[in-house]
Amino acid sequence: DSGVTQTPKHLITATGQRVTLRCSPRSGDLSVYWYQQSLDQGLQFLIQYYNGEERAKGNILERFSAQQFPDLHSELNLSSLELGDSALYFCASSVMGNQPQHFGDGTRLSIL
Amino acid sequence: AQTVTQSQPEMSVQEAETVTLSCTYDTSESDYYLFWYKQPPSRQMILVIRQEAYKQQNATENRFSVNFQKAAKSFSLKISDSQLGDAAMYFCAYRSSSRGGSNYKLTFGKGTLLTVNP
Repeated sequence: DSGVTQTPKHLITATGQRVTLRCSPRSGDLSVYWYQQSLDQGLQFLIQYYNGEERAKGNILERFSAQQFPDLHSELNLSSLELGDSALYFCASSVMGNQPQHFGDGTRLSIL
Repeated sequence: AQTVTQSQPEMSVQEAETVTLSCTYDTSESDYYLFWYKQPPSRQMILVIRQEAYKQQNATENRFSVNFQKAAKSFSLKISDSQLGDAAMYFCAYRSSSRGGSNYKLTFGKGTLLTVNP
């Protein structure tokens, strides 16, 4: 158990819909990272937050947004969903940006 | 931009034998970290081992060790005495050690699927 909690584990929805993925980092970790794992693109970095502030953006679509709340949990919002958004979405956390990242179990998103 | 290449999409090994997974990377930075993550069928991402580029000594964690060749930009993972539980997808990953911005993101290779035969 990595200590990083992601909910829900599975999500099935339709094109055009909006979903929210939630991540609770390990106790004491201030940095949260979101990654997308798909068959086409592999594992890709989406976005990083540190203590509530956005620190870095990767290949994140404009239809996607995220935030980190004062209690340090983070949410990834995906809107206007397309078939290609079907993927496994991972959250990872670390104490600070330069410490090893520990991953949650992921949320499997299926778009029908 | 940094890139990570895993040239072996699949590998297999007999139980109790040794296997080496290859990884090469491209970077213009001199200071960075390299990682191997394991993803079993349960899909968890488990950190196996990490190496700091400024350290010449190769990292070791029990049956797992790396061969880090900085000049060649090569970072292979050796698994000794392979066990059935080692069967998984293995990802090589790169992370800058520089401060700020997107430098702490992990850049992953495409992965190597390891099968362990009894």
